[in-house]
This record gives sequence, C-alpha cells and structure tokens, in this order.
Amino acid sequence: QSALTQPPSASGSPGQSVTISCTGTSSDVGGYNYVSWYQQHPGKAPKLMIYEVSKRPSGVPDRFSGSKSGNTASLTVSGLQAEDEADYYCSSYANSDNVVFGGGSQLTVL
Amino acid sequence: QVQLVESGGRLVKPGGSLRLSCAASGFTFSDYYMGWIRQAPGKGLEWFSYISTSGSTMYYADSVKGRFTISRDNAKNSLYLQMNSLRAEDTAVYYCARVRGSYALGYWGQGTLVTVSS
Repeated sequence: QSALTQPPSASGSPGQSVTISCTGTSSDVGGYNYVSWYQQHPGKAPKLMIYEVSKRPSGVPDRFSGSKSGNTASLTVSGLQAEDEADYYCSSYANSDNVVFGGGSQLTVL
Repeated sequence: QVQLVESGGRLVKPGGSLRLSCAASGFTFSDYYMGWIRQAPGKGLEWFSYISTSGSTMYYADSVKGRFTISRDNAKNSLYLQMNSLRAEDTAVYYCARVRGSYALGYWGQGTLVTVSS
C-alpha cells in the first residue's frame, strides 16, 4: 500500500482538462511544499513534470500545472493531447528524510 | 546533456549479492545528491536510498536498511549500489536519478532489471 493515495485512473478527451489528486497527511503533503509529479510512458523512465507543488522544470509545457490544498495535491493537465497518455506519480517529502510516492494514476486520452 | 546509465542488473538467487553502477555525464556530478529508485514489475515507484554530494550522508528506507549500501566516486562520476541478502521482493527495475533541491528527481537513467529468483 502506497503512502500517498491517487486514483488508479483518469481520462479525458483531446483538448479537455483533467485533474489527478494525491492525498497524504499532515506529515507529508500537508506539512511540506515538496510535492513532485512524474510522468511515465510504458517501458520508459519517469520524467519530472512538477516540483515544489507547482513549479515546472524547463521544457515541460505550461499545460501541466500543480496545486495543493491541505493534505491533497493535484496535477492538472489542460488541453489534453494524445502524448499525455501515461502513468502519473506524485511524491512528497515526509518526516525523517523520507520521500514517499503515490501508487500512480493511469491517464487515458479518449 | 545530462546522461545517467545504469548497469549490473541480472538474475540472482535469493540470498545473493549484486552491485549496480550508474555512470553520469553532462553535468558536474559532485554538485548533486544522487538517488536510487526501484519499480517492481507492474507496480509503483519506491525511492529507497540517496547520498549527499560528498558521500558523507546516506538515507535508506526501512525496506533495504542493513542490506543495501549506496556509495559514489566523484572522481569517476559514478554512483553505486551494493545489494546483499537479496529477496524475491527486491525484483524490480532499478533507476538512478539526480536529485534537485526540494527532494525532486530531475533526471533519471533508463533503469536496469534485477531479478531475484531461484
């Protein structure tokens, strides 16, 4: 069982927006602004999409955005494109130098 | 450009040992914390170890503590993972990654598969 809870799946049509949630506790998501999101295509290594809750690394499209409210972080993908279909994982710093991941959400572009 | 290339994964029997390597290039290796993350077949990600720039500070998750050892050689731009007392549940793709500030993993290698089975 993963430390952070994500929905197993999410979906949307091209051009639409979809939001994936990531729920933790006050000891991880709620306690620190160190939430990251990763995209993983089948058979590939994960790619950092969001760090520090809402910051985008260079090269990540601004269609990807992150936010946090209380113990729940969210990743929103706007203007869905076919290449956005992938697994998405959230992570958060937790107490005692630990970093925990969510179980992953499979995003399907209909 | 940043490149991380893992090697050393193979089939090993339960109780056996294995050493993984990660060759880094395209950046000043000694400036960055580095980490090891694994992904069991069909499962999620587990960041189980990281090491400071000088190698003086290491972190291990409980799942590997006492069995795995992370190390680095800044002169060789290389990260290592010594794995002992391997168990079936250690079967996974093992990734090395460069840690950016705020506990995010900015760059990942392609991964190397470790299979623990008799």
